[in-house]
Amino acid sequence: EAGVAQSPRYKIIEKRQSVAFWCNPISGHATLYWYQQILGQGPKLLIQFQNNGVVDDSQLPKDRFSAERLKGVDSTLKIQPAKLEDSAVYLCASSWTGGSYEQYFGPGTRLTVT
Amino acid sequence: AQTVTQSQPEMSVQEAETVTLSCTYDTSESDYYLFWYKQPPSRQMILVIRQEAYKQQNATENRFSVNFQKAAKSFSLKISDSQLGDAAMYFCAYRSAPDKLIFGTGTRLQVFP
Repeated sequence: EAGVAQSPRYKIIEKRQSVAFWCNPISGHATLYWYQQILGQGPKLLIQFQNNGVVDDSQLPKDRFSAERLKGVDSTLKIQPAKLEDSAVYLCASSWTGGSYEQYFGPGTRLTVT
Repeated sequence: AQTVTQSQPEMSVQEAETVTLSCTYDTSESDYYLFWYKQPPSRQMILVIRQEAYKQQNATENRFSVNFQKAAKSFSLKISDSQLGDAAMYFCAYRSAPDKLIFGTGTRLQVFP
């Protein structure tokens, strides 16, 4: 079974530029999550999708971050414009549904904003 | 709001020895799940062990076991017979509704030969 795929693995941009990250979850997983992990901290949930719908985006900075999940499969997370404090690893995870099901994580994208 | 605290930024252990990583959490819920995740330098989070709060028996997965103290809100991870491949960041996590994971700040484990 293929795991959660993310691209790119690394991205360096200047502040005020825009960037997009892509995630392909495990086949059949209805729930998809985006986490932000700042150096020295644990991951923090940005947004959770159940199929096409948003379940929780309470910690997503909506003035600059946006995310979509088209057709309930792939997802894209965008930052526009980027700030220095957005430098972090962005992790995507997926699970069958809510409940006790395990979340499977992708390898993450390391973003550096200069 | 739920919080997760890992008070040990770094721990070290000799190969083949046993080490315990600490985790405390705060919640008003009675039914929840707790997890330990491992994050090697590759950055991919790997589930190590899971504990359901309604189960009194401590979870065990091969060399990994937990000491779950519900009243004390404590959830420690014991790694027995440590191996060089166990070196990584370890995160304690609490699952809150609607299936959001809340992570601690992590403990970096070093394993010496």
